[in-house]
Amino acid sequence: QQPVQSPQAVILREGEDAVINCSSSKALYSVHWYRQKHGEAPVFLMILLKGGEQKGHEKISASFNEKKQQSSLYLTASQLSYSGTYFCGTEDRDDKIIFGKGTRLHILP
Amino acid sequence: DSGVTQTPKHLITATGQRVTLRCSPRSGDLSVYWYQQSLDQGLQFLIQYYNGEERAKGNILERFSAQQFPDLHSELNLSSLELGDSALYFCASSAHTRGSEQFFGPGTRLTVL
Repeated sequence: QQPVQSPQAVILREGEDAVINCSSSKALYSVHWYRQKHGEAPVFLMILLKGGEQKGHEKISASFNEKKQQSSLYLTASQLSYSGTYFCGTEDRDDKIIFGKGTRLHILP
Repeated sequence: DSGVTQTPKHLITATGQRVTLRCSPRSGDLSVYWYQQSLDQGLQFLIQYYNGEERAKGNILERFSAQQFPDLHSELNLSSLELGDSALYFCASSAHTRGSEQFFGPGTRLTVL
């Protein structure tokens, strides 16, 4: 089942913080986060694995609550380059990654 | 540049036709994934291959098929095309299966007229 992302869209001013949430109704092995800019391919940001391991970019932080099957991506001191659509992808024991509908982030100068 | 290549970049064809999309994964990656992204839609998982074998299947239509060859490149075949098949098709690769970051290719934009 497709994970639910919230909010659907957010507008920030440069320097402000944002949190993007992702929740699933299934038990998860991992949660993936990707960012896609208009007309480009998605780019990997972070993976959070069951058991606490995380792999990703140093400037990105995220959390994964295994019991609640929820993850949050934290964007602090946002920059213009953070604009884009953020997708969470949830991976279950079937090895499929199902992506949410995305959260559109627009950063204003 | 992710290291994943996809050809062609653009494809325009007519309803009822058949097309083949090609993907070459990053060097050393064993897994290949195919996704469909329609206008303003999310990424719809189609199918995954690992080292030549089908690993996982999403909501892939029966008109669509894929395979991964011994050299690890993959092809997605779309037949009896319909207007609704117009979309951006992404291929991604990863080193392994579970818990591996995916690297996406630039995509193939398919337009069915």
